[in-house]
Amino acid sequence: DIQMTQSPASLSASLGETVTIECLASEDIYSNLAWYQQKPGKSPQLLIYYANSLNDGVPSRFSGSGSGTQYSLKINSLQSEDVSIYFCQQNYDSPPTFGGGTKLELK
Amino acid sequence: QVQLKESGPGLVQPSQTLSLTCTVSGFSLTDYSVHWVRQPPGKGLEWMGGIWGNGNTNYNSALKSRLSICRDTSKSLVFLKMNSLQTEDTAIYYCTRDSNYGYTYDYWGQGVMVTVSS
Repeated sequence: DIQMTQSPASLSASLGETVTIECLASEDIYSNLAWYQQKPGKSPQLLIYYANSLNDGVPSRFSGSGSGTQYSLKINSLQSEDVSIYFCQQNYDSPPTFGGGTKLELK
Repeated sequence: QVQLKESGPGLVQPSQTLSLTCTVSGFSLTDYSVHWVRQPPGKGLEWMGGIWGNGNTNYNSALKSRLSICRDTSKSLVFLKMNSLQTEDTAIYYCTRDSNYGYTYDYWGQGVMVTVSS
C-alpha cells in the first residue's frame, strides 16, 4: 500500500495568515491526490482533486500544488471557519490511502 | 440533490456481525460507485471497500476476509456486512460517493458511530 505522511500533525495560526500543509507519498502518485476538510463533528468534505483542482463551491483561498511524491495545501487569509482537520489522500492505486491528518487551530 | 445516509446498530457485541445500510438519493447506483470509509474515534480515515456502477466490488485486503458490500439498485441502497467484529472496529462508518475521478469522494454521508463492546 502507498503510505501518505502529512506534516505538521497540528498547526496554530492567526486570522488572515497563510498556512501550508504538506503531504508526502511513499512513491510517485502522478498528481492523483485529493485534500479533504473535516470540521469538528462533521464528515470530511472534498476540497481539491488531481492535486490542484478546486472542488465546486470551495473558496479560492484554498489551493493545492505538487507533483511526484510531494504535495501541499495552502490556505490564504485564514478564516475562523477554516478550523478543521485536513487529510490528504492518494487515488493513484488501490487501496486509496489517507494521510494521518493535520489539525488546524486558531492562535 | 445528492445525499447519502448510513443506518445501523450503534452497538455490536465482539465476534458478532455488523450490518449497515447506505440510502442514497440524487444519483443512480449504476452511474456512480459507492464506498465505505471508517474513522476510529480521534483517528484517521481508512478505506474499506466499494461497489462499482457495474456491480463489481473491491475491498481493502486488510478487511477482505471479513467484509462484504452489495446493493439493491431498485431501492438505491448499499449494504455493508462485516463479521468477527473486535473492539478495534469501533469507529464512525461513512458511505461516500466516488466522483468520476476515481477513488475521490465528492459526497459523504453523516456517518454512523459503531461501538464494539459487550
